[in-house]
Formats: sequence, structure tokens, C-alpha cells
Amino acid sequence: GAVVSQHPSWVICKSGTSVKIECRSLDFQATTMFWYRQFPKQSLMLMATSNEGSKATYEQGVEKDKFLINHASLTLSTLTVTSAHPEDSSFYICSARALDRNSYEQYFGPGTRLTVT
Amino acid sequence: AQSVTQPDIHITVSEGASLELRCNYSYGATPYLFWYVQSPGQGLQLLLKYFSGDTLVQGIKGFEAEFKRSQSSFNLRKPSVHWSDAAEYFCAVGFMEYGNKLVFGAGTILRVKS
Repeated sequence: GAVVSQHPSWVICKSGTSVKIECRSLDFQATTMFWYRQFPKQSLMLMATSNEGSKATYEQGVEKDKFLINHASLTLSTLTVTSAHPEDSSFYICSARALDRNSYEQYFGPGTRLTVT
Repeated sequence: AQSVTQPDIHITVSEGASLELRCNYSYGATPYLFWYVQSPGQGLQLLLKYFSGDTLVQGIKGFEAEFKRSQSSFNLRKPSVHWSDAAEYFCAVGFMEYGNKLVFGAGTILRVKS
């Protein structure tokens, strides 16, 4: 149990376009989902926390107008990278916190590799 | 400020040898502790976790970790490493002041030589 999927697993887009990444909890309800960014050979950097039905909370230094997060249901959160630029190329990972589990336990998706050309 | 330290960026061990990966945190109370493993290009898989109780916790794939309050440590161990254990390992800590967020260590890359 506690499976999280991400779609797409990799995406290439042109500079200036927008790309949407989906994060789904497949077998549990997730009131909270987290979005991370990981640069090569580095640790995970938390970008934002999203709660179902409310606005996301962004970490300091993360542009909320560039990284739009929507958490419309208990099983789906989306991250939209708007007007993408090459420096947005990265590995994006989402995680979800189960409604009925310890509040600190997160289940991670497989990640999405974004390349902006 | 709360922090998580994994002092070893890279570790190389021979197949069959024992392994210990270090994790230290800076925090006044007992946090929630996790070890995750990440294979290249993949997401994170939970190896084990500590919330309370017995300070020696068993995880998947033959891993275990011991919480030592006096040393603010949560080191990951495995008695006999397999080539398939080669990956990157992250220690993560949940601090109450940070809400439900986790703070990750920098990671330790494990290489296994045959």
C-alpha cells in the first residue's frame, strides 16, 4: 500500500512553454502533498506544501507564480511550471502524507525529469 | 536551527562487508527519523523509520538503524552488503517546529565493489 505515482516520468519542453506534472496517491487519501526539486548529485529541496482544497505554502525563495500548485482532490496534486526556462530543468519529486498515518511519514513518487531546451 | 548531517558523501564497501551510514541531527527534543534509499533516476523508497519505543528498528532489505538520543544520531546499518544495495541513501528528520515537513540530509552515495 501507500503508492504514489507521477506523470509524466520525463518531459522535454521548449523554453517559454508551460508543463504540468501530476502526482497521485493511488491507494490512500492524501490531505497533504509535498513537491521537491532535486538537482544532480544533491539532496531534495522542498518547494511547497499543498493541502487539499487550499492554497499551497511555498518555501522561501520559490516563485509561486512560476510553480503553480493545485491540490483539487484527496488523491491528486499538480505542479505546473510556467514559462519554463533551461534553469528549471531538474528532477521533480512529489510525496504524499496519508490521512490516517503518522503526520511526518511521507510516501514518494518516482519523480519527473524535466528538460527545458 | 534544526539540521540534519550526513557526514559521508561517498562510501565504498566490498560486497559481503558490513555497512554503517551516519546521520546526526540538531534538535532539542526527539524528532521523527527516517532513512530513504534512491536509485538513479528514481524516487525515494522508505527503508525504515523511528517514532518512539525500541531504539533499534528493523527495516526492509536487511537494514536496521539505531536511535541514540545522547549522540543525536540515527545510523543505518547492514551486516552484509549486496551489490544491489548500491544507491544513494538519505536520512530525513521531522521536527515539530517545521510542521509536517521533513528535513533531508545531503545524502550518502554507496558504492559496492565486488
